[in-house]
Amino acid sequence: DAGVIQSPRHEVTEMGQEVTLRCKPISGHNSLFWYRQTMMRGLELLIYFNNNVPIDDSGMPEDRFSAKMPNASFSTLKIQPSEPRDSAVYFCASTLGVNEQFFGPGTRLTVL
Amino acid sequence: DQQVKQNSPSLSVQEGRISILNCDYTNSMFDYFLWYKKYPAEGPTFLISISSIKDKNEDGRFTVFLNKSAKHLSLHIVPSQPGDSAVYFCAIRDGTSYGKLTFGQGTILTVHP
Repeated sequence: DAGVIQSPRHEVTEMGQEVTLRCKPISGHNSLFWYRQTMMRGLELLIYFNNNVPIDDSGMPEDRFSAKMPNASFSTLKIQPSEPRDSAVYFCASTLGVNEQFFGPGTRLTVL
Repeated sequence: DQQVKQNSPSLSVQEGRISILNCDYTNSMFDYFLWYKKYPAEGPTFLISISSIKDKNEDGRFTVFLNKSAKHLSLHIVPSQPGDSAVYFCAIRDGTSYGKLTFGQGTILTVHP
């Protein structure tokens, strides 16, 4: 298994632009999680899905952030419009049931 | 209000000595506790875990201790090796059916040769 796949690995954009981060979970996993890592706050949970349904999006910082999971093998996290304070590493993780989560390599986002 | 805290941002240890990483939590309903390790430019990887019904779990050089009365979790690495240098996150599951984890801020461990 290739593990959790995230794209792009690096994204540099200008303030005000739309950013879309992508995630392919491990096949067979039924829960998917989006995290943001910053020096100040560590790993923050933004939103998670179970069986493609959003369960809790209380960690999404603002309405500028949105996430979708149209099917079991794909999820997106969108920021529109992006701001410099959104610069961080964004991780996607998946799991089956309540077992440990498997993380992707992350997307390093820089908003200028 | 942070439910999981790692109060030491960094720890420096000599090769061969013990590394002790600490984690405190506030919610006594948490039922499962994990440690993840993260190398630069990689995602966190699962290291070791412990259920709330136990107070110790050992896996090779890694041992996790749980003190429920103090709401305190620790990871011991003995002996420490330079390859252990990484960021260590404690993570706690809240008992829901979806495997949601709450992570601490992380501790950067540096093991010097």
